[in-house]
Amino acid sequence: RKEVEQDPGPFNVPEGATVAFNCTYSNSASQSFFWYRQDCRKEPKLLMSVYSSGNEDGRFTAQLNRASQYISLLIRDSKLSDSATYLCVVNIKRKLIFGQGTELSVKP
Amino acid sequence: DAGVIQSPRHEVTEMGQEVTLRCKPISGHNSLFWYRQTMMRGLELLIYFNNNVPIDDSGMPEDRFSAKMPNASFSTLKIQPSEPRDSAVYFCASTSGAASPLHFGNGTRLTVT
Repeated sequence: RKEVEQDPGPFNVPEGATVAFNCTYSNSASQSFFWYRQDCRKEPKLLMSVYSSGNEDGRFTAQLNRASQYISLLIRDSKLSDSATYLCVVNIKRKLIFGQGTELSVKP
Repeated sequence: DAGVIQSPRHEVTEMGQEVTLRCKPISGHNSLFWYRQTMMRGLELLIYFNNNVPIDDSGMPEDRFSAKMPNASFSTLKIQPSEPRDSAVYFCASTSGAASPLHFGNGTRLTVT
């Protein structure tokens, strides 16, 4: 089993839709979690950290479920510019491990 | 404020040649990570340093790969000899702590023919 797993997608959604991604992790001792966004042929960039109580940044909401060992990212009112690959990152024994990424394509 | 700086941006070389990738982390960051990204395998952690000391190199594919961090502002990843299957984008990233997010460089796109 991989240490961090994501549904690779692609997710094809219309503008304005709400879309959710999940990411599961294997190590229950993991302490810190992040969501990154990667555009084609670019480096990954931090989208948001994930806090235990859940956190929101505009249209984006991140949540952590320690009992089931997953994190989620919710995008509301999706825009064309949200099209990208979304990567979850889990700190496992001080190593920052990436999921394989979920591709999102927002269509007009 | 300069981010993580990698060089070269692109490298094309022939099989068997030595390749050296370079990285300058963000000043003040004490952890540095090298990743490799391919379509098939995604982002793989190769090695990471803490305070210039290699902590975990279990992701380094084989003895042909080596990494050094002689000081807090410079790291290299070397492949000798290179093979076509090493073709990938190599990213360097730095962070100020285990609970802090990573900041990536622009990456080096390596093609081995």
